[in-house]
Amino acid sequence: DAGVIQSPRHEVTEMGQEVTLRCKPISGHNSLFWYRQTMMRGLELLIYFNNNVPIDDSGMPEDRFSAKMPNASFSTLKIQPSEPRDSAVYFCASSPGLVGTQYFGPGTRLLVL
Amino acid sequence: QQPVQSPQAVILREGEDAVINCSSSKALYSVHWYRQKHGEAPVFLMILLKGGEQKGHEKISASFNEKKQQSSLYLTASQLSYSGTYFCGTESGSEKLVFGKGTKLTVNP
Repeated sequence: DAGVIQSPRHEVTEMGQEVTLRCKPISGHNSLFWYRQTMMRGLELLIYFNNNVPIDDSGMPEDRFSAKMPNASFSTLKIQPSEPRDSAVYFCASSPGLVGTQYFGPGTRLLVL
Repeated sequence: QQPVQSPQAVILREGEDAVINCSSSKALYSVHWYRQKHGEAPVFLMILLKGGEQKGHEKISASFNEKKQQSSLYLTASQLSYSGTYFCGTESGSEKLVFGKGTKLTVNP
């Protein structure tokens, strides 16, 4: 079975540009999580969905960040406008339910110049 | 609430043992352990459920003491491939998994 799929794997953009990260969870998983990882702050949970509905977005740093899950097999995390401090690795993870083991995608390495 | 891991980092020689601790201020339902190698995604190692069980994965095992609200990960006869950052994730009741800050393990030849 395919694991969690994320695209792009690497993204380099200039400050002020819009960035869209994509995630396809494992088929049959009902919960999807977006994380950001940096050396300074470690692994931070940004937002998570259950059955395509956002449950908790308290980890989203600013209004510049938004996430959607239009269907069970696709989610996006958008940053508009992007800033250099947004540079990080963004992971998407899915889980059969809200509680339980999470399976991580390979991550998107974002660099904002 | 984020669990606390200790130590933050540990350096071993191949063949040595290490213990990584994870503690929470909340009553725990389960503890998960993940390992992340440099440049890769975190990978699930094992889950321990309420009941004080101990589990093993290769020469890596873990215990869960629900009364003390803590878990320990034991790495015995460490191998070079054990190097990475180890994260514990805890669940309390119906809350989502919350990860600790990680423990960086370096195994040298």
